[in-house]
Amino acid sequence: DTGVSQNPRHKITKRGQNVTFRCDPISEHNRLYWYRQTLGQGPEFLTYFQNEAQLEKSRLLSDRFSAERPKGSFSTLEIQRTEQGDSAMYLCASKYGGALQGDTEAFFGQGTRLTVV
Amino acid sequence: GENVEQHPSTLSVQEGDSAVIKCTYSDSASNYFPWYKQELGKRPQLIIDIRSNVGEKKDQRIAVTLNKTAKHFSLHITETQPEDSAVYFCAASIWGALRSNFGNEKLTFGTGTRLTIIP
Repeated sequence: DTGVSQNPRHKITKRGQNVTFRCDPISEHNRLYWYRQTLGQGPEFLTYFQNEAQLEKSRLLSDRFSAERPKGSFSTLEIQRTEQGDSAMYLCASKYGGALQGDTEAFFGQGTRLTVV
Repeated sequence: GENVEQHPSTLSVQEGDSAVIKCTYSDSASNYFPWYKQELGKRPQLIIDIRSNVGEKKDQRIAVTLNKTAKHFSLHITETQPEDSAVYFCAASIWGALRSNFGNEKLTFGTGTRLTIIP
């Protein structure tokens, strides 16, 4: 499968625990995005990487959230001290962008569904 | 920042009839408008997109129209089939090689339309 891959697909955790999700983008894509989707809503932008640099973070991303893309390939999203309000689908997307030619659409992974109990 | 509104939130259409979903956006700098289809438990998938230099784009049974002046765009699905049943999201973004290389092209999504095709 050469698409965007996310792991795990589902995560159930107790309130107060830390969780980490992983996203493996399409290999040649330089841009990686994290979105959060709650039931009945569209995805909301959380953060963005251009290669290994994290260039923008949404106000939705509180201090308990941290994201990395250490080698400009896969990315991790960590949530510390989870709260029930963190329950959502966390989607990763990647694209090639910033060039005069060859920009692609954004391709999404299947998401990690987080349930905080 | 950008704000995208989408209507209706639910739409039921008899098989074979047409479906229309409408979106408005607020940021006049937005120039790229994709539509994503999301089936239950699956990833959002791009079905069609349009850039602001054209007013209409068609791909078989799916078409998108864009009115830059009014800041609205619409998805049209003709000859609907049961497999068209899904949630559809519109989105807006700033896309283009002339912007700063660090422009991020993030997508701002509408709230979605649940389309049900009645056999």
